[in-house]
Amino acid sequence: QKEVEQDPGPLSVPEGAIVSLNCTYSNSAFQYFMWYRQYSRKGPELLMYTYSSGNKEDGRFTAQVDKSSKYISLFIRDSQPSDSATYLCAMSGDNDMRFGAGTRLTVKP
Amino acid sequence: DTAVSQTPKYLVTQMGNDKSIKCEQNLGHDTMYWYKQDSKKFLKIMFSYNNKELIINETVPNRFSPKSPDKAHLNLHINSLELGDSAVYFCASSSSGGLYGYTFGSGTRLTVV
Repeated sequence: QKEVEQDPGPLSVPEGAIVSLNCTYSNSAFQYFMWYRQYSRKGPELLMYTYSSGNKEDGRFTAQVDKSSKYISLFIRDSQPSDSATYLCAMSGDNDMRFGAGTRLTVKP
Repeated sequence: DTAVSQTPKYLVTQMGNDKSIKCEQNLGHDTMYWYKQDSKKFLKIMFSYNNKELIINETVPNRFSPKSPDKAHLNLHINSLELGDSAVYFCASSSSGGLYGYTFGSGTRLTVV
């Protein structure tokens, strides 16, 4: 079993849709949870960062962490074609960072 | 001003050659990393350096050798390149052990022919 599981997609939605991206993990030591966005032929860029369980909102993006279920989510409201990218979850703890495989998202105009 | 810069951006080379990729960060971070991203976009840690000291060395062929002359630079040297080494290599940096996320470079696309 991989430490971090993420459905690679691809996921295609119409513009304006609500997008839900998810990851599960197995290591209880993870305390910090992140989402990265990676455009084609670019490096990943940090999109959202949360500590332990709870929600965090930033504009159209909401990150949720449920440590009891070892499950994290990223919601994108009113999705735009510019949101088309690969989204990678990541989590860290005990000087260890692990990435999910990434979900490729396409938002169609 | 690029925060994490790596060169070259593209590298095409023949099997058996030796090549180097350079990375520099101007963020004042104390930890730098090399990641390999395969065709399926999976990011795999290769090495991590904290203040010039190697702290993570994942199962990587010893043909790969990192070098950190100072905490702002981390280079990757690859000997005897093989077809399977073709991938995108990302340099990243962080502070506080990376607990708050990494800053990535734009990647070096290595193609071995």
